[in-house]
Amino acid sequence: AQSVAQPEDQVNVAEGNPLTVKCTYSVSGNPYLFWYVQYPNRGLQFLLKYITGDNLVKGSYGFEAEFNKSQTSFHLKKPSALVSDSALYFCAVRDRGSQGNLIFGKGTKLSVKP
Amino acid sequence: GAVVSQHPSRVICKSGTSVKIECRSLDFQATTMFWYRQFPKQSLMLMATSNEGSKATYEQGVEKDKFLINHASLTLSTLTVTSAHPEDSSFYICSANKGGSTYEQYFGPGTRLTVT
Repeated sequence: AQSVAQPEDQVNVAEGNPLTVKCTYSVSGNPYLFWYVQYPNRGLQFLLKYITGDNLVKGSYGFEAEFNKSQTSFHLKKPSALVSDSALYFCAVRDRGSQGNLIFGKGTKLSVKP
Repeated sequence: GAVVSQHPSRVICKSGTSVKIECRSLDFQATTMFWYRQFPKQSLMLMATSNEGSKATYEQGVEKDKFLINHASLTLSTLTVTSAHPEDSSFYICSANKGGSTYEQYFGPGTRLTVT
């Protein structure tokens, strides 16, 4: 079964510092991986995806993620955090066995303090 | 762009009544839409996959007679919560595949349902 793990419930970062939100996955075959962000009482916004190609994927709002096949990880990173980055972040894998629905990690709350 | 809307954004209903939530893809056609449910401080759980012109596929444990899904057109899917109970109170989010090879799902803003 495919699954996604986000080991941290919450990540606290000072504004201007780099941030990392961790994600590991378990899939059979090549994974399709995604990061989404959710602000309070809102739907999910797409940040970036890895389908194939370069392991370093750049996305929206200055975020990037590195696909590491040997470590089965897809950590989300940003060189310099903003207070406005504070939100809930979800890592997801596309369920190949279905019509393309996503399997989500439990989410990581990012808190960026001024 | 690829915009998905949901209506209503918030709804309060009484126990025993039914409520319909609409999900629309505004600027693209979506042959497949997904309905998720999110409990407070938890992840999204897939409820069902909605296909235009055919019956929805429900995930294990989701009552198809309680959560009626209709995907009548390529831009509209509806979720009707029938005979709602307080335990149905939740945040319901839909998403749609744009198609092609992007593999991206575009999410609606969600609907907060409160059953009193």
